[in-house]
Amino acid sequence: TQLLEQSPQFLSIQEGENLTVYCNSSSVFSSLQWYRQEPGEGPVLLVTVVTGGEVKKLKRLTFQFGDARKDSSLHITAAQPGDTGLYLCAGVLHNDMRFGAGTRLTVKP
Amino acid sequence: GAGVSQSPRYKVAKRGQDVALRCDPISGHVSLFWYQQALGQGPEFLTYFQNEAQLDKSGLPSDRFFAERPEGSVSTLKIQRTQQEDSAVYLCASRQTAGAGANVLTFGAGSRLTVL
Repeated sequence: TQLLEQSPQFLSIQEGENLTVYCNSSSVFSSLQWYRQEPGEGPVLLVTVVTGGEVKKLKRLTFQFGDARKDSSLHITAAQPGDTGLYLCAGVLHNDMRFGAGTRLTVKP
Repeated sequence: GAGVSQSPRYKVAKRGQDVALRCDPISGHVSLFWYQQALGQGPEFLTYFQNEAQLDKSGLPSDRFFAERPEGSVSTLKIQRTQQEDSAVYLCASRQTAGAGANVLTFGAGSRLTVL
């Protein structure tokens, strides 16, 4: 059983559409991170959220940390084919980091 | 080096063989993590080092898995008597500090192990 549950597992959309992916847990984290992973490469950090209720924006990506620091969402506006990849959330517990299973996003031109 | 380097990038082993996977973290990084990533899944935590000390090995799936970091820099993940279910990408990541307050993990590209 994953400590962090991500949904949806797969998402295929057309260029220009908006989307939201979710990361949920019953555990409280000191912080939560979102990564993007391309085939054949390791995950690359997109953002870290620390404070409950925090919202961070990175160009067309908006990240939100839940008030109780148990869940997070990633919203992408006007998706582009370059956004295609595996999006992973990771929760920080003490010194360790635990990942969700990921959302595999495909954006079709 | 500039990034986390892992070798080999690809390894094919016959069932029952032993394998060793190497990780060269960013120079000076205190923390080092190993993760196992099965096809289509997220990374699963295996073990964590702070310098040469292995502080958490709770994720190692069996006693066939062993990791070491004897001088607090390079780390090796060893898998004995490999089984088909060991087939996965093994990711190494390093972090500059020990504390969780500055949690920026830098990942290597991984070592893809295929056990036949």
